[in-house]
Amino acid sequence: DAKTTQPPSMDCAEGRAANLPCNHSTISGNEYVYWYRQIHSQGPQYIIHGLKNNETNEMASLIITEDRKSSTLILPHATLRDTAVYYCIVRVVGGNTPLVFGKGTRLSVIA
Amino acid sequence: EAGVTQFPSHSVIEKGQTVTLRCDPISGHDNLYWYRRVMGKEIKFLLHFVKESKQDESGMPNNRFLAERTGGTYSTLKVQPAELEDSGVYFCASSQGLGVRTEAFFGQGTRLTVV
Repeated sequence: DAKTTQPPSMDCAEGRAANLPCNHSTISGNEYVYWYRQIHSQGPQYIIHGLKNNETNEMASLIITEDRKSSTLILPHATLRDTAVYYCIVRVVGGNTPLVFGKGTRLSVIA
Repeated sequence: EAGVTQFPSHSVIEKGQTVTLRCDPISGHDNLYWYRRVMGKEIKFLLHFVKESKQDESGMPNNRFLAERTGGTYSTLKVQPAELEDSGVYFCASSQGLGVRTEAFFGQGTRLTVV
């Protein structure tokens, strides 16, 4: 079972920042937070991951709370192409254990 | 660099027939995973190869499913005989698995329809 909780759906206006929350209150000290997304009919796409520090790449930023029990994925300027289901997943550090997908958040970017 | 490639992209077969799905991982990736999404359900893990060895096959639904990865390169997933409930999208993913570079990259999936 997924160890994360996410809202089922969110809307975001095009050009605005999309902030997707994730609760992982039972996360262990040796687990990373990963984010993936699945755009309709495509395979899941890796976005970003982090352990305890905030992370940023060309796609998004990941903000992890100090207690590591929750995090927020930020898409700084959402476009229509960012409409997708976003998955927050916790996974053991350095391991290659399978990803456990939950229901995710369906983000709809609206023009 | 080529991504994860899956063949075929779509397959429609009759109940009782056999289907073989193929996955070509990213070159140099030792880890290869199979996942499945049945309509209306979540993406579920099927099994994990490290090179040619099965590391974890706890997600395989039953013995009608057989996965192989000869030589540690591409992998095949055979369903024999196929049943209606096997319909869904089958995803393959691969990862390098060295240090912190553990992110998995997915293929576009094979949509299997059993009629």
